Amino acid sequence: SQQGEEDPQALSIQEGENATMNCSYKTSINNLQWYRQNSGRGLVHLILIRSNEREKHSGRLRVTLDTSKKSSSLLITASRAADTASYFCATDANDYKLSFGAGTTVTVRA
Amino acid sequence: EPEVTQTPSHQVTQMGQEVILRCVPISNHLYFYWYRQILGQKVEFLVSFYNNEISEKSEIFDDQFSVERPDGSNFTLKIRSTKLEDSAMYFCASSAPREGTYGYTFGSGTRLTVV
Repeated sequence: SQQGEEDPQALSIQEGENATMNCSYKTSINNLQWYRQNSGRGLVHLILIRSNEREKHSGRLRVTLDTSKKSSSLLITASRAADTASYFCATDANDYKLSFGAGTTVTVRA
Repeated sequence: EPEVTQTPSHQVTQMGQEVILRCVPISNHLYFYWYRQILGQKVEFLVSFYNNEISEKSEIFDDQFSVERPDGSNFTLKIRSTKLEDSAMYFCASSAPREGTYGYTFGSGTRLTVV
């Protein structure tokens, strides 16, 4: 089954603006994670939110999780040029593997 | 900060050849994984490994693939008789416990090009 589908596919914002991207999934999860990937590079873990949590913050990142709607959002506040990257949500259904979405490509214009 | 190290960063191989991708997970991690990302596509799970055996594997991980932890530090992915469609970025990851508090730690990847 497909898990972790992000929306929008691409996002272009001005430096200083906030960026919001959403993730939907289909089956029950143990936790949901967000990762960043700079072009052609590795995956960097940003934040993990467990199924019994509703909101989590880490620096300029805010993640929400609504298990009733099977959706999550990632908010990046006061964006910087260095935030330009692809962002992926990944669901962990307690089965020893992560299911990644297709990602949201964020471009922050100076 | 501890890192997962992957070598080589780039590998070019001829179709039909065997390749071994190497990973050094974080030393106190217990769970190890391989994922791959074909250019422009999703990151796909290949296999997870715990206690010296495969915990879970995807449909992609067929008899062409194998994993091994030959010593206390390395974790390898072997691809036999490579095909053009095996060209992808291969990521190793580790975690402890399974998802840990901080999620998984991924390596920087090995870009495999099959020609």
